Amino acid sequence: EIVMTQSPATLSVSPGERATLSCRASQSVSNNLAWYQQKPGQAPRLLIYGSSTRATGIPVRFSGSGSGTEFTLTISSLQSEDFAVYYCQQYNNWPPETFGRGTKVEIK
Amino acid sequence: EVQLLESGGGLVQPGGSLRLSCAASGFPFSSYAMSWVRQAPGKGLEWVSGISGSGVSTYYADSVKGRFTVSRDNSKNTLFLQMNSLRVEDTAVYYCTKVWRQQMERVFFDYWGQGTPVTVSS
Repeated sequence: EIVMTQSPATLSVSPGERATLSCRASQSVSNNLAWYQQKPGQAPRLLIYGSSTRATGIPVRFSGSGSGTEFTLTISSLQSEDFAVYYCQQYNNWPPETFGRGTKVEIK
Repeated sequence: EVQLLESGGGLVQPGGSLRLSCAASGFPFSSYAMSWVRQAPGKGLEWVSGISGSGVSTYYADSVKGRFTVSRDNSKNTLFLQMNSLRVEDTAVYYCTKVWRQQMERVFFDYWGQGTPVTVSS
């Protein structure tokens, strides 16, 4: 089973600033990596798949990059609605599809 | 608009059973695989089970294999999760998710229901 490690666990950012979230896989997952956003009391929402492709309706301020074992989610200018927990998920080696433990983006 | 509406969660004693349902709409149900993903209180996400669009192929996490059974009724656009021999550690919110393709191969989850809570406690 591939282990996904996200860092940092918590990221404190001011509105309008850039946020950079990291996700590392215990072995190569090629570009089969997705990112999800979860707000309190809500279901997760797909942001990015294929490492860098934005899902339908996702603002351009969200971008993903990376391949192999190292991946990054960047939020170029944080809006108030972006404060949430973000999860990465690999889908190269299955089952199971595995998630990271999440990065909480909080207001600084 | 894709909609996924889960039901069937609740409080059950250890060793008991529950059957979750997920009513789907807004897309050709039989053309897409479906999965269940759970989230224990204050914890992260864990994939639990998946089923191909035809219902022929099913997959399970090791933690639930032999206790949970996933199925679907394509005539009623409904996904099910039969959970038997429930344990305290199965306590979680269970999300019904639509998979981006028909087969459960290299999948991510493009739509999620709001979840149904399952509590296993004596």
